[in-house]
Amino acid sequence: LAKTTQPISMDSYEGQEVNITCSHNNIATNDYITWYQQFPSQGPRFIIQGYKTKVTNEVASLFIPADRKSSTLSLPRVSLSDTAVYYCLVGGGNTGFQKLVFGTGTRLLVSP
Amino acid sequence: DAGVTQSPTHLIKTRGQHVTLRCSPISGHKSVSWYQQVLGQGPQFIFQYYEKEERGRGNFPDRFSARQFPNYSSELNVNALLLGDSALYLCASNSWGDPGANVLTFGAGSRLTVL
Repeated sequence: LAKTTQPISMDSYEGQEVNITCSHNNIATNDYITWYQQFPSQGPRFIIQGYKTKVTNEVASLFIPADRKSSTLSLPRVSLSDTAVYYCLVGGGNTGFQKLVFGTGTRLLVSP
Repeated sequence: DAGVTQSPTHLIKTRGQHVTLRCSPISGHKSVSWYQQVLGQGPQFIFQYYEKEERGRGNFPDRFSARQFPNYSSELNVNALLLGDSALYLCASNSWGDPGANVLTFGAGSRLTVL
């Protein structure tokens, strides 16, 4: 199972762009890269998923270099409500099997 | 559509007791996974079930067991509770074999406190 490494915490201010980088050196060929957001006492919430290059949705962008050994979650113009823990996961493939490994995540604090 | 629902939301047990947690997946999702999240840590994989069969098991003792029913709902059972079992237990569902099959939708969790 591919292991991920992320910064333990990050600080930002409202309106800034936040980039959280995740390392996953032993990612497998069929692994996807998925990011989840979690607020206290709630289940993680899917943010974005990608396999290679760049993916963008209404809340974030995900940048994946050609070697896929790292990925960067980009949150544009963060607000106070983006204060949460962000998890980077690799795995899953396309079969549905989900023995995913969550690390400790990145604790993002957004200040006024 | 209702999301993943879990019950109970909170419960308190004493050491040595047994607990059953329940989960209903999103309509159309046939796979259910269970995770344990201890305060300050990321969720840890316990089980995954698909079509009533266990498809994966994490590094948890045999005191932990689960099953999936014909309607794809699931139960997680923990016997002989220990203080260390105090955690948020998360259930997640996903589809299988479809595009986007590897995206999990989590419930709000069941907060178990063992005294």
